[in-house]
Amino acid sequence: KAGVTQTPRYLIKTRGQQVTLSCSPISGHRSVSWYQQTPGQGLQFLFEYFSETQRNKGNFPGRFSGRQFSNSRSEMNVSTLELGDSALYLCASSFGTIFPGELFFGEGSRLTVL
Amino acid sequence: AQSVTQLDSHVSVSEGTPVLLRCNYSSSYSPSLFWYVQHPNKGLQLLLKYTSAATLVKGINGFEAEFKKSETSFHLTKPSAHMSDAAEYFCVVILTGNQFYFGTGTSLTVIP
Repeated sequence: KAGVTQTPRYLIKTRGQQVTLSCSPISGHRSVSWYQQTPGQGLQFLFEYFSETQRNKGNFPGRFSGRQFSNSRSEMNVSTLELGDSALYLCASSFGTIFPGELFFGEGSRLTVL
Repeated sequence: AQSVTQLDSHVSVSEGTPVLLRCNYSSSYSPSLFWYVQHPNKGLQLLLKYTSAATLVKGINGFEAEFKKSETSFHLTKPSAHMSDAAEYFCVVILTGNQFYFGTGTSLTVIP
């Protein structure tokens, strides 16, 4: 059974650009959630999608957005990148009946903003 | 108010000796509690979870944790550390509704 797949694994952007990250959940999982991990702030919850609807949201500015498709795949977008957006972005999937419950994480997308 | 506190940012043990990673939470209710492990450049993997069943929870790779309501603690232990246990460990607490919090993590070093 394939795990959670995140693409790309590494990327470099410059300030002001935008970026889109992709997450393919484990087959059968309907919930996808996103997290930002930095040395200074640790792990922070961004948002969670279930059945193509944002069900839960963390405390991040509107530059951070996401969506979920009918096959449960999810994308996360960050617009107008800032240096502080440099981080490891983790995606997790779960069956979704209860959030967060048991989460299955991908290996992350490491974003560097120059 | 911090809802989950990992008391040690770094723990160093010798191979073959016991491991203790400490986690305390703040809640008026009995929360759900998880321990996750993150190896370098990897995502998080669930070690074990407590959801109001047995207070002593056994997880993967020989880890276990005991829920102590009176102490609001959920410490992670392992009798004998292995080199492959070197990683970052996160305690996660789920309060009422969908409020959940990650601890700041404990980096475990295993000395050969």
